Amino acid sequence: EAQVTQNPRYLITVTGKKLTVTCSQNMNHEYMSWYRQDPGLGLRQIYYSMNVEVTDKGDVPEGYKVSRKEKRNFPLILESPSPNQTSLYFCASHAETGEYSPLHFGNGTRLTVT
Amino acid sequence: AQSVAQPEDQVNVAEGNPLTVKCTYSVSGNPYLFWYVQYPNRGLQFLLKYITGDNLVKGSYGFEAEFNKSQTSFHLKKPSALVSDSALYFCAVRDFPSYNTDKLIFGTGTRLQVFP
Repeated sequence: EAQVTQNPRYLITVTGKKLTVTCSQNMNHEYMSWYRQDPGLGLRQIYYSMNVEVTDKGDVPEGYKVSRKEKRNFPLILESPSPNQTSLYFCASHAETGEYSPLHFGNGTRLTVT
Repeated sequence: AQSVAQPEDQVNVAEGNPLTVKCTYSVSGNPYLFWYVQYPNRGLQFLLKYITGDNLVKGSYGFEAEFNKSQTSFHLKKPSALVSDSALYFCAVRDFPSYNTDKLIFGTGTRLQVFP
């Protein structure tokens, strides 16, 4: 089954404790991205990657890091989480077909930073 | 800068009635427009897209959307709503051409509530 898998689904942590949210896709997609969803703000793009070793900032990259060492994986790293990073996070992927193909989303990771 | 506006936080409609969820956009070039739906505790799912061609786009689950360039709108519609359509709906836009980027701008979302 074609899917984007995020782990964990729920995470509670304390300020300053480094964490990683993993994301993996099995569709051989070139493009991957991370979004956060907050009430009243919709989804905002954090980082995206157009291929292995190619990453770029989205609209809200501060406080986050990403890496794309393999095509299928795109982890999101919070080196020193803060309470304002409490949010619902989504990983997404899509193929580069010349005509923009739709995003496939993971089921989300709900992060709480206390 | 590109942007998307969904002016209604919530839309209420009775089952069997037609529904409309509104979306307006602002882009510097030709827009790629999308609608996604989010059910509780799930990621977003693609409904439909407009790239070029016919202004009326048909998508999944009986939904359709009308692209109106003069009004810069891309409203989502369905002739007869179902209770199971109750969900959070997002409009999104990508500028064209943007081969060197992969930025997608989402609206703030509209919660659709269909009452039996």
